Amino acid sequence: AQSVTQLDSQVPVFEEAPVELRCNYSSSVSVYLFWYVQYPNQGLQLLLKYLSGSTLVKGINGFEAEFNKSQTSFHLRKPSVHISDTAEYFCAVSDLSGGYQKVTFGTGTKLQVIP
Amino acid sequence: GAVVSQHPSWVICKSGTSVKIECRSLDFQATTMFWYRQFPKQSLMLMATSNEGSKATYEQGVEKDKFLINHASLTLSTLTVTSAHPEDSSFYICSAREASDGTGELFFGEGSRLTVL
Repeated sequence: AQSVTQLDSQVPVFEEAPVELRCNYSSSVSVYLFWYVQYPNQGLQLLLKYLSGSTLVKGINGFEAEFNKSQTSFHLRKPSVHISDTAEYFCAVSDLSGGYQKVTFGTGTKLQVIP
Repeated sequence: GAVVSQHPSWVICKSGTSVKIECRSLDFQATTMFWYRQFPKQSLMLMATSNEGSKATYEQGVEKDKFLINHASLTLSTLTVTSAHPEDSSFYICSAREASDGTGELFFGEGSRLTVL
């Protein structure tokens, strides 16, 4: 069964500093990986996704993530954060065993950008 | 990108009443929609997969008689919380995918916050 672990529940970082939000997944078959952002009292918005091909994926708002199959990780990075990046970030996975239909979400990481 | 709209965004009801939440795909057809429940400071829990023209597929532990799902058309799925109680208070989110092969982006509604008094 697929699962996702986001070890950091909260990550405080100063404005204009770099940030990395960690995500590890568990699956024995081929996976699709996603990062979503959620602003307060709103739905989720896709930041980026990995389906196949290049392991470095670039998304919206200057975010990028790298798929590392040997470490089963898909960490999210941004070289310089802004106040507007303050939100909750969810890593998600769907795998071949379910025909990639079912998406499992991690518990989320709250990014707090400090002015 | 595609738009998924939920209504209402906020609802307060008395214990014992039923509440219906609508999820619409505004500019694409969705044969499958998904309903999630999000508890405070927790992740999204998949409740059920809503299939157009057929019965919904519920996740383990989700009461299908409590949470009625109807997917009557390719652009509308509804979730009805029957005989709501305070423990049903939560943030409910729907999503839909354009592509049927799982590669398409999941588009999420804005969420509906239910408070049961």
